[in-house]
Amino acid sequence: GENVGLHLPTLSVQEGDNSIINCAYSNSASDYFIWYKQESGKGPQFIIDIRSNMDKRQGQRVTVLLNKTVKHLSLQIAATQPGDSAVYFCAVYGNNRLAFGKGNQVVVIP
Amino acid sequence: KAGVTQTPRYLIKTRGQQVTLSCSPISGHRSVSWYQQTPGQGLQFLFEYFSETQRNKGNFPGRFSGRQFSNSRSEMNVSTLELGDSALYLCASSLEARGEKLFFGSGTQLSVL
Repeated sequence: GENVGLHLPTLSVQEGDNSIINCAYSNSASDYFIWYKQESGKGPQFIIDIRSNMDKRQGQRVTVLLNKTVKHLSLQIAATQPGDSAVYFCAVYGNNRLAFGKGNQVVVIP
Repeated sequence: KAGVTQTPRYLIKTRGQQVTLSCSPISGHRSVSWYQQTPGQGLQFLFEYFSETQRNKGNFPGRFSGRQFSNSRSEMNVSTLELGDSALYLCASSLEARGEKLFFGSGTQLSVL
């Protein structure tokens, strides 16, 4: 099955700084990738997605980078705010399902 | 447009009992997926339904089952509950037939005592 993992379990970042969360995947046939944010007591919330025919996509304060050569994607959050404190998951579509990484806790220090 | 609605929000059961969880997808979404979330295993795929048909199933025992109705609403059932079934059960719906871009509900927190 798909092996999706995150490099860092917890990321502490100063308010106003940029955050980078990384994710590795194993299935080279994966063609669709999503980042989700999960706050305590809530379900995962869609942040941004990217298809395999792109290597970069930008949203509001977020950027996703995809490197298919090394099977790696990252989420960059610009000017991190206290409201960005949450668990972030990468998810990879392959084998007819969305497989999730373990999650990465982001803690924003005011 | 209302989001994905899951009921109940919290549930406490004892070992050996069975439980049914309900999910109403976003209006117009025909694909519904279920995931189990635990601190140790993260989000694990249970199954996915589209137009009342189970299209995909994860690696869970047969005690876990589900169904989808003609209005796209879905239920999942767990029989003969075990302590290890304690988890947050998340339902997600998708507009795409491929069921890739998922929108999640807040989940049902199941505790098995």
